[in-house]
Amino acid sequence: DAGVIQSPRHEVTEMGQEVTLRCKPISGHNSLFWYRQTMMRGLELLIYFNNNVPIDDSGMPEDRFSAKMPNASFSTLKIQPSEPRDSAVYFCASSPGQLNTEAFFGQGTRLTVV
Amino acid sequence: DAKTTQPPSMDCAEGRAANLPCNHSTISGNEYVYWYRQIHSQGPQYIIHGLKNNETNEMASLIITEDRKSSTLILPHATLRDTAVYYCIVRARSTGTASKLTFGTGTRLQVTL
Repeated sequence: DAGVIQSPRHEVTEMGQEVTLRCKPISGHNSLFWYRQTMMRGLELLIYFNNNVPIDDSGMPEDRFSAKMPNASFSTLKIQPSEPRDSAVYFCASSPGQLNTEAFFGQGTRLTVV
Repeated sequence: DAKTTQPPSMDCAEGRAANLPCNHSTISGNEYVYWYRQIHSQGPQYIIHGLKNNETNEMASLIITEDRKSSTLILPHATLRDTAVYYCIVRARSTGTASKLTFGTGTRLQVTL
């Protein structure tokens, strides 16, 4: 298995533009997590899904952020409109979801909003 | 989830054991202790987890105190490639689907020659 695949690896966009980050979890995993990492705030959990259903989105910073998981093999994190303070590395992780199993992380998407 | 406390940084000589402590004094009976690490510019990587017994795998050993209020991650023979930020996480027992995985600030381990 290729692991968790995120795209793009790097994204530079202008303030006000819409940004969509993509994640393909490991096949067979039924839990998916989106994280954001910055120097100031560290690794923050934004939202996580179990069986394609959002379970906890309390970490989503504001209405500009939205996440979807239309099927078990794909998820998106959208920011609209983007702002410079959204600049960060965004990680996606997936987990088998069985009892006490570990989460596997992708390589992340480095987003820069100018 | 219970809060964890870790030292912000530690140094270790290559070839020596690295012992990384974690305090989780408010841990509850259904919470596990997980350890992850993050090497620069990569996504976090799972290391090990445990409930109350000591655990060992090919990467590390996890020692949990009898009262479960603290634990120590041991890298038996640290190498330069073990330089990373190590996160101790307390996570609720899952019941068929994944539970929340919340990262703190971690310990930055620097392995030196």
